[in-house]
Amino acid sequence: GDSVTQMEGPVTLSEEACLTINCTYTATGYPSLFWYVQYPGEGLQLLLKATKADDKGSNKGFEATYRKETTSFHLEKGSVQVSDSAVYFCARGSWGKFQFGAGTQVVVTP
Amino acid sequence: ETGVTQTPRHLVMGMTNKKSLKCEQHLGHNAMYWYKQSAKKPLELMFVYNFKEQTENNSVPSRFSPECPNSSHLFLHLHTLQPEDSALYLCASSPGLEDEQFFGPGTRLTVL
Repeated sequence: GDSVTQMEGPVTLSEEACLTINCTYTATGYPSLFWYVQYPGEGLQLLLKATKADDKGSNKGFEATYRKETTSFHLEKGSVQVSDSAVYFCARGSWGKFQFGAGTQVVVTP
Repeated sequence: ETGVTQTPRHLVMGMTNKKSLKCEQHLGHNAMYWYKQSAKKPLELMFVYNFKEQTENNSVPSRFSPECPNSSHLFLHLHTLQPEDSALYLCASSPGLEDEQFFGPGTRLTVL
């Protein structure tokens, strides 16, 4: 079946470091791709999305590009802050069938 | 209130209890979802409703019983649960089945 694979965490980095979280997806159909973020004690919040190949989603300094040739949707941020500490989920979706990755915990230290 | 709300936020119940989780969305969406989030496991889709009709039951045990009286409300009725059912239960909604989902804060359920 369809699935999403993302790198395991936790990822620990210092403030102002660069962050990349790898995500690959199964290419069945024409899925939309999403990154969600979950802060402690909260539900998931949509961070960014891309609906077709070569689209770039961006929000709050985070970016991800829909790469059809590599079936990837890696999340990047050039300079992280302590407030970016959270769990990040990659997801693919089409017709209500969403598949989420296992989540990657990111810890940013001052 | 705005967005997706869930009540209660925390619930502790015994294996013989009957309880219900409530989800309400104030976004005018047509689709609603229940997810289970357990520690160290991927998010698990449980049920999908579209225009009040159930479109997906992801092999969920019958001790979980969903109810969707209208497009704004979704319930999850719980009875004779097991300790392994302890988890964070998340509700989500979306304008349609192809659209991004908006999540509530979740109900932290502990089964003793």
